[in-house]
Amino acid sequence: DQQVKQNSPSLSVQEGRISILNCDYTNSMFDYFLWYKKYPAEGPTFLISISSIKDKNEDGRFTVFLNKSAKHLSLHIVPSQPGDSAVYFCGSSGGGADGLTFGKGTHLIIQP
Amino acid sequence: NAGVTQTPKFQVLKTGQSMTLQCAQDMNHNSMYWYRQDPGMGLRLIYYSASEGTTDKGEVPNGYNVSRLNKREFSLRLESAAPSQTSVYFCASSEWTGYQPQHFGDGTRLSIL
Repeated sequence: DQQVKQNSPSLSVQEGRISILNCDYTNSMFDYFLWYKKYPAEGPTFLISISSIKDKNEDGRFTVFLNKSAKHLSLHIVPSQPGDSAVYFCGSSGGGADGLTFGKGTHLIIQP
Repeated sequence: NAGVTQTPKFQVLKTGQSMTLQCAQDMNHNSMYWYRQDPGMGLRLIYYSASEGTTDKGEVPNGYNVSRLNKREFSLRLESAAPSQTSVYFCASSEWTGYQPQHFGDGTRLSIL
């Protein structure tokens, strides 16, 4: 059973507008969350993270929001740029010694 | 900055052949990981090494072995390759386990016929 779900396989947004990518998780032990961006034929690149003691974290054009009661997080990209077109993965961790649990990804397409 | 380097980038094997995927990081990280990514799927953890000298199974360890050769290097071995192991393999590292972002290599694309 998927512990991390990204229910939108793809998302198309106009350049300059806001992109909102969503992620849901089921494991209550998860307390550290990350977003990665992936271009074809490259490895995932770390974008931004948030721990469960916060509900928001910003880094430039990227903001991650965490709603612990709903077990939901979202990544906002403002304004969206053509270089943002990529697959975005949500990852979660219980902060322990093991690795990350990832969603299946959302393919973001920025339209000119 | 090299970061995480994986070799080879591409490989085709026949069923039953063996192969070792190599991974090295130059960030002085303590923890290293192996993931696989299949079409339409997220990355799934195969094995990880929290620190030099330790290795542990992840979500999908069957058919694989690993060696943490030293602090820099973490290899993944397929002893008898099967078509179900056709995938893209990613190595990652982090300063420590836990509340740390992981940094990924560019992957090894492995096809098993």
